[in-house]
Amino acid sequence: EADIYQTPRYLVIGTGKKITLECSQTMGHDKMYWYQQDPGMELHLIHYSYGVNSTEKGDLSSESTVSRIRTEHFPLTLESARPSHTSQYLCASSEQGMINTGELFFGEGSRLTVL
Amino acid sequence: GDSVTQMEGPVTLSEEAFLTINCTYTATGYPSLFWYVQYPGEGLQLLLKATKADDKGSNKGFEATYRKETTSFHLEKGSVQVSDSAVYFCALSGGSYDKVIFGPGTSLSVIP
Repeated sequence: EADIYQTPRYLVIGTGKKITLECSQTMGHDKMYWYQQDPGMELHLIHYSYGVNSTEKGDLSSESTVSRIRTEHFPLTLESARPSHTSQYLCASSEQGMINTGELFFGEGSRLTVL
Repeated sequence: GDSVTQMEGPVTLSEEAFLTINCTYTATGYPSLFWYVQYPGEGLQLLLKATKADDKGSNKGFEATYRKETTSFHLEKGSVQVSDSAVYFCALSGGSYDKVIFGPGTSLSVIP
């Protein structure tokens, strides 16, 4: 059982609202990631972090921002939500320094709907 | 650059049928290979992995063998159950790219 938690699981909001998706892990992992999953199931990396005070943009351009003030916490924020942001967002973590293991631990996801 | 290709779905099988989901990859170096599974309404979880050529990963009746000569990591199960209905993702890490590369996913439905 993975110790990585996302809240909220489901969120329906109106256009223009600011939202924050929370992600916390209790495994002490340095690396954390945010993926956006489209209806066709494909995963797109939008942000990642190597550790505290580290944030990097992923492969897919995103209007969201992230922060990493504590090892266990990696929230994602949308300042002004739009219908195009409707998607499933998956948070994940992995151990730093484990060459070639690449095993990711995923949260259960946050499904965002913007009306 | 590194990439993962897997067979397109959706795949529909009857219970107890044999399953194969093809996966091929392109990578420099010596990547590790993975299969992740996503059950409805959940996040992904690791199903099995192999870290070097000719290794076989196995879990819950699923198997996959790391074939460097054909750059493949096909997922197989001898007898699927309704509870195996999910989306399956092939992935690699440790190539030329410091992240995990996922394939597009293959949806499997198993009918009684």
